[in-house]
Amino acid sequence: GQQVMQIPQYQHVQEGEDFTTYCNSSTTLSNIQWYKQRPGGHPVFLIQLVKSGEVKKQKRLTFQFGEAKKNSSLHITATQTTDVGTYFCAGGGSNYKLTFGKGTLLTVNP
Amino acid sequence: EAQVTQNPRYLITVTGKKLTVTCSQNMNHEYMSWYRQDPGLGLRQIYYSMNVEVTDKGDVPEGYKVSRKEKRNFPLILESPSPNQTSLYFCASSLTGTGGFQPQHFGDGTRLSIL
Repeated sequence: GQQVMQIPQYQHVQEGEDFTTYCNSSTTLSNIQWYKQRPGGHPVFLIQLVKSGEVKKQKRLTFQFGEAKKNSSLHITATQTTDVGTYFCAGGGSNYKLTFGKGTLLTVNP
Repeated sequence: EAQVTQNPRYLITVTGKKLTVTCSQNMNHEYMSWYRQDPGLGLRQIYYSMNVEVTDKGDVPEGYKVSRKEKRNFPLILESPSPNQTSLYFCASSLTGTGGFQPQHFGDGTRLSIL
């Protein structure tokens, strides 16, 4: 079945440093979504990428979808303490099945 | 307010005692799904439903049942709970449409402890 691998599992940064998390799928995806889960909270939708090679930005966050639609990345520039949380990618496959990566837990040292 | 409501939020119960976790959404979404979240394993899909009376297995359906008799409700049933079903459960809903998925709206979660 479809598998979505996400690395790293954990990332600790100093405030102001950049952060990147990567997602790789075993199969070609129809689209990819990114979510953020604050400690003790529920996942909250950030963005969806659909097109091959697509790049989208939200303030300090940059999202990319690979040319082959099998990988994606989320990059945060100049992290802030408010960026703390777990970031998940979720790949859309056949039969409307959405597969989540295991997530990257980001901690930020002020 | 648009929301996905799960009940209960917390439950401690014993092995073998049937339980139901309810999920309701007020956004007229067609797609609903259940996930369990365990440390180090991320979010794993249990069951999903494309619309009323249409359900399908996710990645970890064993030990769970669901039903979709109404568009707004998607209960998760544990007929004979076991300790390995102790977990944090999330219900989610979204619109369906062309071009794949729509943003998933998650409930606040249900923390189940099965002794």
